Amino acid sequence: NAGVTQTPKFQVLKTGQSMTLQCAQDMNHNSMYWYRQDPGMGLRLIYYSASEGTTDKGEVPNGYNVSRLNKREFSLRLESAAPSQTSVYFCASTLRQAGTEAFFGQGTRLTVV
Amino acid sequence: GEDVEQSLFLSVREGDSSVINCTYTDSSSTYLYWYKQEPGAGLQLLTYIFSNMDMKQDQRLTVLLNKKDKHLSLRIADTQTGDSAIYFCAEILYNFNKFYFGSGTKLNVKP
Repeated sequence: NAGVTQTPKFQVLKTGQSMTLQCAQDMNHNSMYWYRQDPGMGLRLIYYSASEGTTDKGEVPNGYNVSRLNKREFSLRLESAAPSQTSVYFCASTLRQAGTEAFFGQGTRLTVV
Repeated sequence: GEDVEQSLFLSVREGDSSVINCTYTDSSSTYLYWYKQEPGAGLQLLTYIFSNMDMKQDQRLTVLLNKKDKHLSLRIADTQTGDSAIYFCAEILYNFNKFYFGSGTKLNVKP
């Protein structure tokens, strides 16, 4: 009954450090997404993976890379963190079909100092 | 990208009705959604409506869709303090590839 699990929940990085945010879903969903949430800007799509083996850029991909490791896992990597990447990051997954619902993880609060 | 727009804030008194509005630009939307986000939490689906429907009711929630004006609203009857949260509308297009979210409306319910 886990749904979408993100790790870590909180992280503080220094400018220039790298890290990977992990996301896993146990619902056999086809599509997975990474969003960032900033005050007053809603959710902005960073990258998505429509199906295993494919990834595509969203609205704000610069400074990020992703890997769809298998059907369950979709990771987001910051190679050289910048203060502008301070945000709350959400992973989501969907079946990608009519009437589908997006299930969200609990979020990762990232601060870059 | 697609534009989904919402007002940022709404304040109501407990027991009143709340109406949260959303406009979208793409007429090829298939489904439109309302999500709720409580402080420190992820987004949870409240309800959704298929684009060929005008209205959907689910207990205290009523969704109205005006497809001609590309306008979606969420009415919460008898609003409670536990309804205080951020509400996001979202659309998904015909290829089901991506969700597009509005900026969120922060609902504040005063006792």
